[in-house]
Amino acid sequence: GAVVSQHPSRVICKSGTSVKIECRSLDFQATTMFWYRQFPKQSLMLMATSNEGSKATYEQGVEKDKFLINHASLTLSTLTVTSAHPEDSSFYICSAMERGGWTDYGYTFGSGTRLTVV
Amino acid sequence: RKEVEQDPGPFNVPEGATVAFNCTYSNSASQSFFWYRQDCRKEPKLLMSVYSSGNEDGRFTAQLNRASQYISLLIRDSKLSDSATYLCVVKGSYIPTFGRGTSLIVHP
Repeated sequence: GAVVSQHPSRVICKSGTSVKIECRSLDFQATTMFWYRQFPKQSLMLMATSNEGSKATYEQGVEKDKFLINHASLTLSTLTVTSAHPEDSSFYICSAMERGGWTDYGYTFGSGTRLTVV
Repeated sequence: RKEVEQDPGPFNVPEGATVAFNCTYSNSASQSFFWYRQDCRKEPKLLMSVYSSGNEDGRFTAQLNRASQYISLLIRDSKLSDSATYLCVVKGSYIPTFGRGTSLIVHP
């Protein structure tokens, strides 16, 4: 089945630094990737939709200058948390949709990145 | 009203019990429905799609009621390993919306 690789799985960084999270589709072409954030005991909240070769579409309330998304190829999307602050500490997960549109098979998720800003 | 609503639980059930979760959605134009399972600190994994005619996969049965705008998940003969959070996912155009999940705890 489709596999999405997300790295790093865990990162601790100092406040004010930037962190880059990578999401790769390993055996399929992902024209669209979704970036989610999940706080403890909360649901997955969509942050942005990333389309290959174009600018990401951000959800209301998500700062595009703080959460930089790049989807330069059909197999790679990156999320960079710039000038991270402790309130950015969360679980970030990417999800990919295969080229050709979604199917009844749902979405494939990366394994997630637990970001802790100290 | 939230787009997708679930009772967060937790549902505490003994091994062997049958348990059911519901999930309501507000967008009547929603096209696809899924149940995902999420273990603590892990990514969600697809449990099953939900079809209008209802579908079954082993001990799991999913149903869709478009008239009342809800989907359900029934788990029979609960196992300890079923303990997890079950997320309802509803998709309209192509962006999925997640419920906050229902926590299930199966105890011996």
